[in-house]
Amino acid sequence: DQQVKQNSPSLSVQEGRISILNCDYTNSMFDYFLWYKKYPAEGPTFLISISSIKDKNEDGRFTVFLNKSAKHLSLHIVPSQPGDSAVYFCAVIPGRGGSEKLVFGKGTKLTVNP
Amino acid sequence: DAGVIQSPRHEVTEMGQEVTLRCKPISGHDYLFWYRQTMMRGLELLIYFNNNVPIDDSGMPEDRFSAKMPNASFSTLKIQPSEPRDSAVYFCASSPSWAGRAFFGQGTRLTVV
Repeated sequence: DQQVKQNSPSLSVQEGRISILNCDYTNSMFDYFLWYKKYPAEGPTFLISISSIKDKNEDGRFTVFLNKSAKHLSLHIVPSQPGDSAVYFCAVIPGRGGSEKLVFGKGTKLTVNP
Repeated sequence: DAGVIQSPRHEVTEMGQEVTLRCKPISGHDYLFWYRQTMMRGLELLIYFNNNVPIDDSGMPEDRFSAKMPNASFSTLKIQPSEPRDSAVYFCASSPSWAGRAFFGQGTRLTVV
């Protein structure tokens, strides 16, 4: 059973427009949520995170929104650039009391067209 | 800093052979993680270490898989005997004090024929 679900395997947007990547999770006790980006033939790299005590976190063109009641996480990229084309993984740290496991969704492949 | 270094980058082996994947974490990082990526299951955690001690190996699929961290600068993931269904990309990652901002290596693409 998937604890983290990214229901859209792919997304295509035009350069300059907004990209919205979505993620749903199953457990309301999850504490910390992250987004990672992955280019082909490379490992994932950390992008942005949010704690369960917040509902929004911004870093430049990237904003993560957390809706705890809906158990939903989204990543907004504005404006989208061709270099943003990559696979984006939503991840959570599910444990309390010291568990350090990162659990990933299956990813959404974003293509930004020039 | 060179980042997390994994070797080899690619490995092709025959079914039944032993395979050893290697990882050098970033110096000073207390946590080390081994992940496997497949089309079907995505990125799944196999095992992680804290200060060289295995903390959670519940993701290791079978007894054929074993991982060691003999010191703070080196870890291995061994598969013996290997099977075609082990074909995947294996990532090693390290983190200074907490899992969230883990730094990943470039991965080892394993093909078992």
